Amino acid sequence: GENVEQHPSTLSVQEGDSAVIKCTYSDSASNYFPWYKQELGKRPQLIIDIRSNVGEKKDQRIAVTLNKTAKHFSLHITETQPEDSAVYFCAAIAGFGNEKLTFGTGTRLTIIP
Amino acid sequence: DTEVTQTPKHLVMGMTNKKSLKCEQHMGHRAMYWYKQKAKKPPELMFVYSYEKLSINESVPSRFSPECPNSSLLNLHLHALQPEDSALYLCASSQVAGGTGELFFGEGSRLTVL
Repeated sequence: GENVEQHPSTLSVQEGDSAVIKCTYSDSASNYFPWYKQELGKRPQLIIDIRSNVGEKKDQRIAVTLNKTAKHFSLHITETQPEDSAVYFCAAIAGFGNEKLTFGTGTRLTIIP
Repeated sequence: DTEVTQTPKHLVMGMTNKKSLKCEQHMGHRAMYWYKQKAKKPPELMFVYSYEKLSINESVPSRFSPECPNSSLLNLHLHALQPEDSALYLCASSQVAGGTGELFFGEGSRLTVL
């Protein structure tokens, strides 16, 4: 089955600086890579996703890059703000025919004012 | 309506009790999921229902019994739980199972087993 590794487990960043979280996956058939944000005591919510036919996707201050050859993908947050403080989970799924989304272990991001 | 609603928000039960967690969505999604989340860990898949049929059971102990009465409702029946079952139980839904669709999570039911 799929195995997703995520680094770092904790990350502290000065407000206004950038944050980068990296994930690697094992199953070359995986073709969908979402990122979920979970604030303390809240539900996980999708913040951005990327499909395997795209190398990069951007949504305002958030971007995700995918390297299919190396089997890794990264989340980039620029101009960080206090409300970016949360736990971020990457995930991977091998598309149709596979119903199990495999999550990474999570990164606790703290934005220092 | 893009909400997944879970009840109760908090539940405390003894090891001999029987209780149920409930989940509801009205987005027309045909896949519904139960996840278990321990503190500082990612959500861990328990069950997947696709078109109201159980399609995945991740080797979950029989003291957890899922039920999908219709396409909008998902229950998790609990019986003879152990203290280590204390966790946040998250329900989620998606348009179809698998594929590349977004999972919509509920706020969760925080379960404490005494």
